[in-house]
Amino acid sequence: EPEVTQTPSHQVTQMGQEVILRCVPISNHLYFYWYRQILGQKVEFLVSFYNNEISEKSEIFDDQFSVERPDGSNFTLKIRSTKLEDSAMYFCASVGSSDEQYFGPGTRLTVT
Amino acid sequence: GESVGLHLPTLSVQEGDNSIINCAYSNSASDYFIWYKQESGKGPQFIIDIRSNMDKRQGQRVTVLLNKTVKHLSLQIAATQPGDSAVYFCAENNNYGQNFVFGPGTRLSVLP
Repeated sequence: EPEVTQTPSHQVTQMGQEVILRCVPISNHLYFYWYRQILGQKVEFLVSFYNNEISEKSEIFDDQFSVERPDGSNFTLKIRSTKLEDSAMYFCASVGSSDEQYFGPGTRLTVT
Repeated sequence: GESVGLHLPTLSVQEGDNSIINCAYSNSASDYFIWYKQESGKGPQFIIDIRSNMDKRQGQRVTVLLNKTVKHLSLQIAATQPGDSAVYFCAENNNYGQNFVFGPGTRLSVLP
């Protein structure tokens, strides 16, 4: 069964550093998403991406965040200058012809 | 603002019994709802969805009920098994698959 993959599984970084979280969506999917989940809290929408541009973004997705689909397979989330409060699980998801969202296993980001 | 919430943060059921997990939503414009299962250390997994033009939808051992009058959504799991132990989230959407709003989750524990 096709699946969304994410790397790394765990990223530790110092405050102020840039991080890039990587995702490989399911190959024939067209819609891509990033979500985050702070420990013990609910999943929060960050951004959706379609046709090589952002479709919608939340208030969380400020100027420190950016997304990119540099080639036909990868979908990346960049945080330019990490803050302590960026520590969370970050999930990538993709959607194909049905409305079903397939989530990746997540990247745990720890900012120290 | 709009929000999606759950009545019960934890639910313990005996193996073999049926489980009912509830969700209240406040945005009457929401027209698409999804239930997700999240096991420890994994990303959310799609279980079942329902659109607002339906009030019931059945899957394998799962049924979702939608009551638009009282803005209530429930997930019924028949013959609950140990593998059903997880956190269950409801999510709502009113923008054709873009920004999903997630509830905080209910932890389901299946007792032997």
